[in-house]
Amino acid sequence: ETGVTQTPRHLVMGMTNKKSLKCEQHLGHNAMYWYKQSAKKPLELMFVYNFKEQTENNSVPSRFSPECPNSSHLFLHLHTLQPEDSALYLCASSQDVGGDIQYFGAGTRLSVL
Amino acid sequence: GQSLEQPSEVTAVEGAIVQINCTYQTSGFYGLSWYQQHDGGAPTFLSYNGLDGLEETGRFSSFLSRSDSYGYLLLQELQMKDSASYFCAVSRDRDDKIIFGKGTRLHILP
Repeated sequence: ETGVTQTPRHLVMGMTNKKSLKCEQHLGHNAMYWYKQSAKKPLELMFVYNFKEQTENNSVPSRFSPECPNSSHLFLHLHTLQPEDSALYLCASSQDVGGDIQYFGAGTRLSVL
Repeated sequence: GQSLEQPSEVTAVEGAIVQINCTYQTSGFYGLSWYQQHDGGAPTFLSYNGLDGLEETGRFSSFLSRSDSYGYLLLQELQMKDSASYFCAVSRDRDDKIIFGKGTRLHILP
């Protein structure tokens, strides 16, 4: 148990659906991250939030919409996704942005049909 | 651009020692981290080097040479449970995000 919880663990959705991924951290951290992990590719940083404010958007398509209502919760809203968006989506948190240790959730395995 | 290079796969025998190398080219350097990820699991932090030299944590050690832009993770007394992917990651600045390498898949033979 890393202290970072992601739900759901698995999600199958059609290209016209709207769904949301949820991440919650119980570590009192100030920074939270969304990563995408595809087969045989490095971890791709998508978004960074520091003290609830988005500090980085790594050229992510607008069909991915993050939301950070407070320092403990992070959402990723999904709509009109493409099959190539199928991947493992990982949430992480760290005390602050930067060289601190990142604690990852177990991820949501997303399949887009 | 920023790049981290590590071998895609390494195979070793149970009980042996294995070294996973990482070379990096980044616009700045603050520290090098290593993470382990088992199949279906979350990446977990293993080790961090901010200064040159060797850091030891049980069976795992990590080394850094900033002048060579190079580091490695050393795993001793390999166990089957060490079969996983290992990622090196660079933080370029105290307040900057970390950049991950593509990962090295470690296969362990009995």
